[in-house]
Amino acid sequence: GAVVSQHPSRVICKSGTSVKIECRSLDFQATTMFWYRQFPKQSLMLMATSNEGSKATYEQGVEKDKFLINHASLTLSTLTVTSAHPEDSSFYICSAPQTLYNEQFFGPGTRLTVL
Amino acid sequence: AQSVSQHNHHVILSEAASLELGCNYSYGGTVNLFWYVQYPGQHLQLLLKYFSGDPLVKGIKGFEAEFIKSKFSFNLRKPSVQWSDTAEYFCAVNADNDMRFGAGTRLTVKP
Repeated sequence: GAVVSQHPSRVICKSGTSVKIECRSLDFQATTMFWYRQFPKQSLMLMATSNEGSKATYEQGVEKDKFLINHASLTLSTLTVTSAHPEDSSFYICSAPQTLYNEQFFGPGTRLTVL
Repeated sequence: AQSVSQHNHHVILSEAASLELGCNYSYGGTVNLFWYVQYPGQHLQLLLKYFSGDPLVKGIKGFEAEFIKSKFSFNLRKPSVQWSDTAEYFCAVNADNDMRFGAGTRLTVKP
């Protein structure tokens, strides 16, 4: 199946700093990518839909100025957590669909810890 | 917005027992249905999917799921579980390119 990578896999940062997470589709092009947040023992929460060449679409309750998304190319989307705080600590996962069937391929996730 | 509910938060079974995990969704239109699995320390991967046709879908590792439109359900089944099936299972529904996940069911299989 298709492969989606994320970098970094783990990041620890100080409160107030910004962190960038990359999501890449390695063997296919993705005009759309999704960013999720997963809390311990809870399901995936869709944060936003990243659209190549246009603005991301954010879910209700997600601060777009805090979680900046840039879909710079057909294989790369980035999520920047700006001025991170401890409550932003979580597991962030991206996915990209195969256009034809909307099957999602997930990245391995990025664990963010904000001290 | 549509929603997806998984009835069981944590299921504990012995090896060789049969498994059925419930999934119901709320959306009246055409849907694509998925079951994803997350093994410990690994990322999500697709178990099986339904788009159209035969409502009984067979996936990898002996899993199957049945789409019952009248009940808005897409339950996951396996006749005989193995210890290696221990994982978190997520039901997902895609309608109009809006993908939603259930809360997940943790399956623990005792050897």
